[in-house]
Amino acid sequence: NAGVTQTPKFQVLKTGQSMTLQCAQDMNHEYMSWYRQDPGMGLRLIHYSVGAGITDQGEVPNGYNVSRSTTEDFPLRLLSAAPSQTSVYFCASSYSGQMNTEAFFGQGTRLTVV
Amino acid sequence: KNEVEQSPQNLTAQEGEFITINCSYSVGISALHWLQQHPGGGIVSLFMLSSGKKKHGRLIATINIQEKHSSLHITASHPRDSAVYICAANFGNEKLTFGTGTRLTIIP
Repeated sequence: NAGVTQTPKFQVLKTGQSMTLQCAQDMNHEYMSWYRQDPGMGLRLIHYSVGAGITDQGEVPNGYNVSRSTTEDFPLRLLSAAPSQTSVYFCASSYSGQMNTEAFFGQGTRLTVV
Repeated sequence: KNEVEQSPQNLTAQEGEFITINCSYSVGISALHWLQQHPGGGIVSLFMLSSGKKKHGRLIATINIQEKHSSLHITASHPRDSAVYICAANFGNEKLTFGTGTRLTIIP
């Protein structure tokens, strides 16, 4: 059981470039989500999905796009990177969409936009 | 507004000490999570609870629904317990609201 696999671990982008952060889970979890972690702040929700074909915005969705074509995968796309998107990104999954079951997190992606 | 507050922000203790980290939330919740983030950055779930108390090894988590308060206790603390501990609440919707974390350092 790999759990939640998130790639890449580190990335440096130039302003205006686009990229996709990959997230995959092998636990057949309904719920998947993306967070960003910035110094002095709690993790903030970017986008989430309660099942294949269903996505919704979180607290800080601007500049990010997601899709959920399969139960396993939930990629996060940065459309045109900006320095304000420099952050550590975490993907998470949970069996229940109500987040009242254990949450599993990926190892994180440290993204720097220059 | 759904808010989660943790205290203290930073905690330094000697090996062997009993540790308490606190988490308060603003309104009723359906579940509260305690997470651990090690210096390498990965986040691991420690507990998910909606009432009462849970124990795993030297870690104990309690929640008081009436007082809107949860605590994470570590008994016989060890340097390997040094990490950031994060609480997160589910306010009855499909999202978690996170505290800002408590950085714990255990000195040998």
